[in-house]
Amino acid sequence: AQSVAQPEDQVNVAEGNPLTVKCTYSVSGNPYLFWYVQYPNRGLQFLLKYITGDNLVKGSYGFEAEFNKSQTSFHLKKPSALVSDSALYFCAVRDTGRRALTFGSGTRLQVQP
Amino acid sequence: DTGVSQDPRHKITKRGQNVTFRCDPISEHNRLYWYRQTLGQGPEFLTYFQNEAQLEKSRLLSDRFSAERPKGSFSTLEIQRTEQGDSAMYLCASSSDGQGPYFGPGTRLTVL
Repeated sequence: AQSVAQPEDQVNVAEGNPLTVKCTYSVSGNPYLFWYVQYPNRGLQFLLKYITGDNLVKGSYGFEAEFNKSQTSFHLKKPSALVSDSALYFCAVRDTGRRALTFGSGTRLQVQP
Repeated sequence: DTGVSQDPRHKITKRGQNVTFRCDPISEHNRLYWYRQTLGQGPEFLTYFQNEAQLEKSRLLSDRFSAERPKGSFSTLEIQRTEQGDSAMYLCASSSDGQGPYFGPGTRLTVL
């Protein structure tokens, strides 16, 4: 079985400050991990993914994520938040040999000016 | 625009009617997925195609739901005898080796 937990329903951060959105996962084999962002009434936009290799993955719009196998975490980070980053962020995982993604419940990021 | 496209974007229907949605994936992508998202929740997997073969189906996909990808290009998702609980956003995504999945804008279904 594969599962994802996003422990924070909402994260508030001031513009210009660093941001972190947390994600932990559970899989039987090796994880494939993803981050997506969703703006109101829009589909999901791909930010980045981890398959293998470097634990620090760089993605779109200045976002990056750090894979930590011992903590089974894949936290999303950005050095300096923008008001336009305010949106709903989803972490997703799939196990080796499967194609279905399991998504977390989402974290709403609010960046205040 | 070379992204995933979905049609229609919105569908309002009465309970008991049948509805069909279409998804056109990114042209070079051989994998296609359907997900369902209800308000305030993360997307839930419904089914997956590799080319024209349907390789994974969720237990969420009841007998009233059927999906096809007849020529390995576009896909359709049909819901028969719609129920109010079917009201949701239906998302399509596509991928290929090393790319994606990338999602389309979704079809919002409202069952009255």
